[in-house]
Amino acid sequence: QVELQESGPGLVKASETLSLTCSVSGGSISPNEWSWIRQPPGKGLEWIGYVSYTGFANYNPSLRSRVTMSVDTSSNQFSLKLTSVTTADTAMYYCAKVTPAGDYYDGAGYYIQRGFFEYWGQGILVSVSS
Amino acid sequence: EIVLTQSPVTLSLSPGETATLSCRASQSVSDNRLAWYQQKPGQPPRLLIYDVSNRATAIPGRFSGSGSGTDFTLTIRGLEPQDFAVYYCQQYGRSPWTFGQGARVQVK
Repeated sequence: QVELQESGPGLVKASETLSLTCSVSGGSISPNEWSWIRQPPGKGLEWIGYVSYTGFANYNPSLRSRVTMSVDTSSNQFSLKLTSVTTADTAMYYCAKVTPAGDYYDGAGYYIQRGFFEYWGQGILVSVSS
Repeated sequence: EIVLTQSPVTLSLSPGETATLSCRASQSVSDNRLAWYQQKPGQPPRLLIYDVSNRATAIPGRFSGSGSGTDFTLTIRGLEPQDFAVYYCQQYGRSPWTFGQGARVQVK
């Protein structure tokens, strides 16, 4: 049974960088893909992106210019960095394991994973202060 | 980006009744890659259905999914007290993966 646990600061100042880590237990980072999803208070879910155990990442275009995801296979962790945050980035941030559902060629040289989320962390609330 | 629109936004039902939730996509969902999740307050979402109609591990048979192309449905037959929650659909056929805005099933 895979378990995930988010960690990081619960308060970030506007214009600074949000940094979160997800620790994976009960399973290995390899050979899987891992995602971050966020949920503003009282609102719906937004997929931020996924990172593969190889380090390949695919981001939501709405956040691509500010997001970096990475993996640390030696620590069985993966991480999220979101730069230049504003109050609009205040949300519960969840990490999740991607259950693969095949892939497709994006026409630009990359095979993009398809996947859904069977395993989630409990989430970490990150507030951005103005 | 594929936009998913769920309806109704709120459904008021009594225990034992059947809930029918709709998820409509702005374009066809590739290879019917659509999932449904249940979320209760203070908890992460819980996977119910994947690939339109496959129940996830340990999900009761009263939950079923159907549909294809742009129109999908989650049906909950014989609502039990623990089923009152918010439900989200998610497409993962094309990046960016997107979620519906959510639909609340509440006690009438």
